[in-house]
Amino acid sequence: EDQVTQSPEALRLQEGESSSLNCSYTVSGLRGLFWYRQDPGKGPEFLFTLYSAGEEKEKERLKATLTKKESFLHITAPKPEDSATYLCAVQAAQGAQKLVFGQGTRLTINP
Amino acid sequence: DGGITQSPKYLFRKEGQNVTLSCEQNLNHDAMYWYRQDPGQGLRLIYYSQIVNDFQKGDIAEGYSVSREKKESFPLTVTSAQKNPTAFYLCASSALSYNEQFFGPGTRLTVL
Repeated sequence: EDQVTQSPEALRLQEGESSSLNCSYTVSGLRGLFWYRQDPGKGPEFLFTLYSAGEEKEKERLKATLTKKESFLHITAPKPEDSATYLCAVQAAQGAQKLVFGQGTRLTINP
Repeated sequence: DGGITQSPKYLFRKEGQNVTLSCEQNLNHDAMYWYRQDPGQGLRLIYYSQIVNDFQKGDIAEGYSVSREKKESFPLTVTSAQKNPTAFYLCASSALSYNEQFFGPGTRLTVL
């Protein structure tokens, strides 16, 4: 069974304090790994797709990386507006385009 | 602007009632999905549809029903058979040639 585990569940940082969020996964052949940002009471906002180990993608203060077992979302010099829940999901190579989500990491950036 | 709309934003239901949540997209996407989100849990797939007039059960389909009569629309009915329907419901869509799913703003359903 495909599984995604995110850690930590919650992370509180000071503005400018860089850190990383982890997404560990098991999947029977990876088609893609996805990162989303979700603000309270809103739908998830797509951030990145990673397809193969070694791949990296960047957007502003965020950088996502991928290995064969996990992905990291690195946040550099975060600002209070980066506060959100970050969701990770995987899609298996076989079968329909289903996404399996982790439970998310709630990130709070204090000014 | 292209996007996904869900209505209503908030919905209150009495026990024993069926309710229908609306999802419309103008992205020309072939595939559409319904997820349920509960506090502290990941999104769980209820139903999905890859083409008009066809849909498949997801991981938690019991107590729910869907239809896909038009490419743009994928309504979800929460029936009285759903034992714990209070949750945040999210609709998503994707192009079959790409993998990313894009989400609507969600509907929060509360059973009174």
